[in-house]
Amino acid sequence: DAKTTQPNSMESNEEEPVHLPCNHSTISGTDYIHWYRQLPSQGPEYVIHGLTSNVNNRMASLAIAEDRKSSTLILHRATLRDAAVYYCILRGAPGTYKYIFGTGTRLKVLA
Amino acid sequence: NAGVMQNPRHLVRRRGQEARLRCSPMKGHSHVYWYRQLPEEGLKFMVYLQKENIIDESGMPKERFSAEFPKEGPSILRIQQVVRGDSAAYFCASSPPGTEDTQYFGPGTRLTVL
Repeated sequence: DAKTTQPNSMESNEEEPVHLPCNHSTISGTDYIHWYRQLPSQGPEYVIHGLTSNVNNRMASLAIAEDRKSSTLILHRATLRDAAVYYCILRGAPGTYKYIFGTGTRLKVLA
Repeated sequence: NAGVMQNPRHLVRRRGQEARLRCSPMKGHSHVYWYRQLPEEGLKFMVYLQKENIIDESGMPKERFSAEFPKEGPSILRIQQVVRGDSAAYFCASSPPGTEDTQYFGPGTRLTVL
């Protein structure tokens, strides 16, 4: 299973953008990049996913490097409610169902 | 559309008792996954089920753990003769049939074994 590497923790000021990096140098051509976040005492919440092109949704943007060996989750304006552990997960081609969670990045948002 | 439901949210058992954890997937979802999260760790895959079928149980401990997803009713994760090391948060996720298999997670059941 392809592995992801994320910083253990990051801090951001409220109302500022946050860039959460993820390295996945062994990604294969059919692996999708998924991001989830987990707030304290809750289940993981889907944030965004992509394959090759950058993606935007109401929660965040996903920027994928041209060689696909890294990606960045962008929160455009951090709020206190965005404080969570963010997981970058590689999921294989459709039908490859097993998510492999790493230890994620703990994001702290400062008021 | 209600999300994935899990109950109970908290469960306390004494060593040697049985624990039953229930998961109702989102409406229209026929695929269910169970994950376990130990304190301060990421989630670990346990088992993947479709209605009346276990597709992959490679993450399940060989003994005491079993899972089912009957034709009617919720999916059940059953742990027999619980030990202290079973204390963890157990999360269920579901996804729709077909190739769009983004998983949506429930709130989890926190099992404490005394």
